[in-house]
Amino acid sequence: KNEVEQSPQNLTAQEGEFITINCSYSVGISALHWLQQHPGGGIVSLFMLSSGKKKHGRLIATINIQEKHSSLHITASHPRDSAVYICAVFMDSNYQLIWGAGTKLIIKP
Amino acid sequence: DAEITQSPRHKITETGRQVTLACHQTWNHNNMFWYRQDLGHGLRLIHYSYGVQDTNKGEVSDGYSVSRSNTEDLPLTLESAASSQTSVYFCASSESQITGELFFGEGSRLTVL
Repeated sequence: KNEVEQSPQNLTAQEGEFITINCSYSVGISALHWLQQHPGGGIVSLFMLSSGKKKHGRLIATINIQEKHSSLHITASHPRDSAVYICAVFMDSNYQLIWGAGTKLIIKP
Repeated sequence: DAEITQSPRHKITETGRQVTLACHQTWNHNNMFWYRQDLGHGLRLIHYSYGVQDTNKGEVSDGYSVSRSNTEDLPLTLESAASSQTSVYFCASSESQITGELFFGEGSRLTVL
């Protein structure tokens, strides 16, 4: 069983829809990262969370430490949001990042 | 603006050749990482460094080496390239081990024939 599971693996939605991507983990963590990778490869850090909720523009990230779960939400989705979204957790046992496999999001106009 | 750059962006080489991928960051970050990304896998850690003269093996370090002689650079060397090392390689840096935002290079696509 992977220590970091993302769902769904693939998501196709229409422009304007509210998007939720989930990340569940099975290990104790110090922090959780959400990153975005556009076609063509560049990886950009979106959020780093250790508790609660963060918001940046149309993106919202939440984390529930007790339930070992985080969500990334996109409001008013746009085709430019089409990308792979990756969750990574920083394990507090060995200070290593464990990466999820990513969620491929396609937003259709 | 501070940045992290990788070179070359694309390289084709032959089995058995030595290859070095360069990574240079101007963030003055102590922490630097090399990852490989393959279809069907998440990012996998190859090597990492928490400072000058410090290097550590990641989960897929066999066949790779790194050296850290200054803060800015962490070159990744494939001693004898193998077809299994065909991949996209990403370098990253962060200020803090635990809570630092990660900054990634643009990636280097390596093909080993």
